[in-house]
Amino acid sequence: AQRVTQPEKLLSVFKGAPVELKCNYSYSGSPELFWYVQYSRQRLQLLLRHISRESIKGFTADLNKGETSFHLKKPFAQEEDSAMYYCALSGNSGNTPLVFGKGTRLSVIA
Amino acid sequence: EAQVTQNPRYLITVTGKKLTVTCSQNMNHEYMSWYRQDPGLGLRQIYYSMNVEVTDKGDVPEGYKVSRKEKRNFPLILESPSPNQTSLYFCASSEVGGSSYEQYFGPGTRLTVT
Repeated sequence: AQRVTQPEKLLSVFKGAPVELKCNYSYSGSPELFWYVQYSRQRLQLLLRHISRESIKGFTADLNKGETSFHLKKPFAQEEDSAMYYCALSGNSGNTPLVFGKGTRLSVIA
Repeated sequence: EAQVTQNPRYLITVTGKKLTVTCSQNMNHEYMSWYRQDPGLGLRQIYYSMNVEVTDKGDVPEGYKVSRKEKRNFPLILESPSPNQTSLYFCASSEVGGSSYEQYFGPGTRLTVT
């Protein structure tokens, strides 16, 4: 069964400090992994996906199959990064649903 | 403008009174899905649809129904709402191929069942 674990409900960091939002997954096949973000009063939106290997708003995430992790990182946090972040997993066939973690609320303190 | 719309945005109802939350997308997406968002539980999938007339249960389908008669619409039906269905509901859609593509979310519907 697919499972996504985000161990931290809340993460508070100071502006300019590095950020790491943890995500671990469980899936028997080859997963596709995503980070979605929900800013205050906005709809949920895709931040990045592992297959594109890009950096969005300074965030990066590397899929580590050995550790079954997909942690989200940013070297210097900004106040506008404060939001709810969800890690999500999909199987590599179209018939598998997208499974979300419980989310981590990031609070960047000025 | 490409978007996913939901109606109503806010709804307060009483136990047992049937209701429908509509979802519509104008991006010609084949895949559509409903989620509920609850504090401490994150997003949980209720139902999803790979295409017209094809629907499947997600993680928490009990108490809900869906239909997909047209590509653009994916209504969520609560035949007999109960207080434990008080939640924030999101509809989402994505391109052909299902959940491995970027999902576009609606603005959410906040439902309160008393």
